[in-house]
Amino acid sequence: DQQVKQNSPSLSVQEGRISILNCDYTNSMFDYFLWYKKYPAEGPTFLISISSIKDKNEDGRFTVFLNKSAKHLSLHIVPSQPGDSAVYFCAASASGGSNYKLTFGKGTLLTVNP
Amino acid sequence: EPEVTQTPSHQVTQMGQEVILRCVPISNHLYFYWYRQILGQKVEFLVSFYNNEISEKSEIFDDQFSVERPDGSNFTLKIRSTKLEDSAMYFCASSDPGFGYTFGSGTRLTVV
Repeated sequence: DQQVKQNSPSLSVQEGRISILNCDYTNSMFDYFLWYKKYPAEGPTFLISISSIKDKNEDGRFTVFLNKSAKHLSLHIVPSQPGDSAVYFCAASASGGSNYKLTFGKGTLLTVNP
Repeated sequence: EPEVTQTPSHQVTQMGQEVILRCVPISNHLYFYWYRQILGQKVEFLVSFYNNEISEKSEIFDDQFSVERPDGSNFTLKIRSTKLEDSAMYFCASSDPGFGYTFGSGTRLTVV
């Protein structure tokens, strides 16, 4: 049961261009979304998040857009740099309760070519 | 910057043996988690721990698994009798109520 889906296993982009990573979710209880970056043999590193009360959140080169009606979010990286090459995971959580369990997508491998 | 520390970085064990994976969460965090990632697959939630008890666990977290916070700093995951399919990267994480979620760098468990 894939509640969080990243349908593109990989994406290749030229340095300086925009990278757009997509994520879809099915659970309408999710109200908090996060993007993580992961290098091999390392843990996921938090990048940016968005609450369901917003439709956009920006932090430097990273912008996350949320379309609640479509249950879709995307991560834009502008401009892309070779150091951005990594696996990007979308994660979602439903607030409330005494924990903040994250449900992850399968990840998208981003390769930024010099 | 505060970080979550996991030891060992790599553990090789024989099938049927017990393993304990250790984690030192960020000191002022209140929520603790274990996740795992089987090679080539997504990161999966195992268990969350709050106020000295399990708050949620997944179907993966069966009777072979247990967690403990034996003192004020460590958070451990024990697998009583390892199986080949337990081979994975195991990530510890901690968070504060404001979703300040931080992951450790993981323990690679190899069951042979």
